[in-house]
Amino acid sequence: QVQLVQSGAEVMKPGASVKVSCRASGYTFTNYYIHWMRQAPGQGLQWMGWIFPKSGDTNYAQKFQGRVTLTRDTSSSTAYLELSRLRSDDAAVYYCARDGVSGGAFDVWGQGAMVTVSS
Amino acid sequence: QSVVTQPPSASGTPGQRVTISCSGSSSNIGSNAVNWYQQFQGLAPKLLIHNNNQRPSGVPDRFSGSKSGTSASLAISGLQSEDEADYYCASWDDSLDDYVFGTGTKVTVL
Repeated sequence: QVQLVQSGAEVMKPGASVKVSCRASGYTFTNYYIHWMRQAPGQGLQWMGWIFPKSGDTNYAQKFQGRVTLTRDTSSSTAYLELSRLRSDDAAVYYCARDGVSGGAFDVWGQGAMVTVSS
Repeated sequence: QSVVTQPPSASGTPGQRVTISCSGSSSNIGSNAVNWYQQFQGLAPKLLIHNNNQRPSGVPDRFSGSKSGTSASLAISGLQSEDEADYYCASWDDSLDDYVFGTGTKVTVL
């Protein structure tokens, strides 16, 4: 079945970088945009950016420009999010999702990866 | 804070109809499709409505979406206890060049 499986929880120190993976299966990875969102505890959803796996093209939310990098490995059908210069308010669950329909309709989501930032 | 606003909460008794509003602007809802997501506590969101009023396969037809101008709505008719969840609207914003989520609405079944 079509699914996205993310890497596990991470505990990071302030100022460090974290890299979260998102492995796709059950469909042609290169044909669909992958988007990344995050959700801080008790808060709403926040979009971070997208990557188009076929070309590697990316687009980042203004809020995260300069701190976020999206990459992909087509040989393993895996997308990656790296967030640098971590702060305490970056603690959140990070989700990847496939844009399967169009116009930001995310029809398949990863299970989420919790990132804790603590000294 | 989000540029797309929703009421923080909505509630109804089983069988009732509940409507959730989503208010934006000409740069987001006014010029782009609206999608709705349902999220249960501790789980990833699920696509409920796309392109303003289209239901993905498997979504019950008691969920419906509409859009008018810079606002959109999600209606749940025949409310059921399993509908108790958080609901988010979302749309592209051409001015920000970002995908924006609404502030979210918690639906409670009384």
